[in-house]
Amino acid sequence: DAKTTQPTSMDCAEGRAANLPCNHSTISGNEYVYWYRQIHSQGPQYIIHGLKNNETNEMASLIITEDRKSSTLILPHATLRDTAVYYCIVLSNSGYALNFGKGTSLLVTP
Amino acid sequence: EAGVTQSPTHLIKTRGQQATLRCSPISGHTSVYWYQQALGLGLQFLLWYDEGEERNRGNFPPRFSGRQFPNYSSELNVNALELEDSALYLCASSLRQGIEKLFFGSGTQLSVL
Repeated sequence: DAKTTQPTSMDCAEGRAANLPCNHSTISGNEYVYWYRQIHSQGPQYIIHGLKNNETNEMASLIITEDRKSSTLILPHATLRDTAVYYCIVLSNSGYALNFGKGTSLLVTP
Repeated sequence: EAGVTQSPTHLIKTRGQQATLRCSPISGHTSVYWYQQALGLGLQFLLWYDEGEERNRGNFPPRFSGRQFPNYSSELNVNALELEDSALYLCASSLRQGIEKLFFGSGTQLSVL
């Protein structure tokens, strides 16, 4: 699976959009980009995933660049409950399990 | 629908002892994954079971082992515990192997004294 690079931490004001970047420059054509988040002392929670088209669901939007070497997770109106560690993972369709890095620690402030 | 359940929530052991952690996947899910999360670190992949078979193993010593039962629940066993085994152990399940989102339990916090 391709390696990902994320900033260690980010801040966002409540009510504003949180834009979390992820670099995956070695991604291959059959690899998907997945995002999870982990709120303190809980198991990670799936947010969204995509292959090459932008995706949106009730939680977030995922923007993948045309060359697929990077992506951005967008939380359109961040709330205090969105404070968490956000993991960007690249997963092939080979059926192997995921490895999570250290992610981005997002702090949403009042 | 019940989520992924793990037991116990907390476990305290001493060096050299054995620990057994349990996981029940979401009903209908056949794949179970185990991860270790030491304090301040990301999740490290341990083991993956699907349909009762071990499908993949992370970079951990053989004293980390497990199994999956016919009802798809799973056990993680850690033998000869060491201090550095203290961590949050997370179990996840998915509907099938491959491109499927994972559903995680809340974990077992293992403390080795």
